[in-house]
Amino acid sequence: QTVVTQEPSFSVSPGGTVTLTCGLSSGSVSTTYYPSWYQQTPGQAPRTLIYNTNIRSSGVPDRFSGSILGNKAALTITGAQADDESDYYCMLFMSSGNWVFGGGTKLTVL
Amino acid sequence: EVQLVESGGGLVQPGGSLRLSCAAPGFTLSIYSINWVRQAPGKGLEWVSYISSSGSGTNYADSVKGRFTISRDNVKNSVHLQMNSLRAEDTAVYYCARARPDYYMDVWGKGTTVTVSS
Repeated sequence: QTVVTQEPSFSVSPGGTVTLTCGLSSGSVSTTYYPSWYQQTPGQAPRTLIYNTNIRSSGVPDRFSGSILGNKAALTITGAQADDESDYYCMLFMSSGNWVFGGGTKLTVL
Repeated sequence: EVQLVESGGGLVQPGGSLRLSCAAPGFTLSIYSINWVRQAPGKGLEWVSYISSSGSGTNYADSVKGRFTISRDNVKNSVHLQMNSLRAEDTAVYYCARARPDYYMDVWGKGTTVTVSS
């Protein structure tokens, strides 16, 4: 059973930079997993931020960026704002044809 | 406005069935693949099922395989998730989401709540 790993929680100061990561319990994340990132606030549907590793979805501010760092996918928020306080989920597409979400990272901006 | 609207959620007893629907008032659903994603109370997102635009391709998470069936009616511009043999652990908000060629989801509905309880 493939497990996609994310930091359970992270904290960043307003105006600061934070990098959230997305790894695999076994193996490395590469572009072939087409990593994507979603933002979700309580009671709301997810919002698509990044797809295909580093492409910003329409309307997403350029302070959000995606990349591969080492053996993980990464989401970097540069110049964090108060309304970036949310849960962030990565999602990977597996060779089996399934999608797997990470457990999510709760980001606090304070 | 491009949007997806889920319906059909509710309270059902363990072992019971429900049929969820996903409609697209603002665009032609038939040309897109669709995923169902769920979120149990206080938990993270879980991919549930996929159907291709033609309906010829489907896929399921192991947790629902053999119990859930995804289908679509391209005449009525809708996608459905038939859920049988429901368990308490199927309790969740169920979202439908539009699938895109780069294996991501770009448009999400607001979700419909399924509660499995006696």
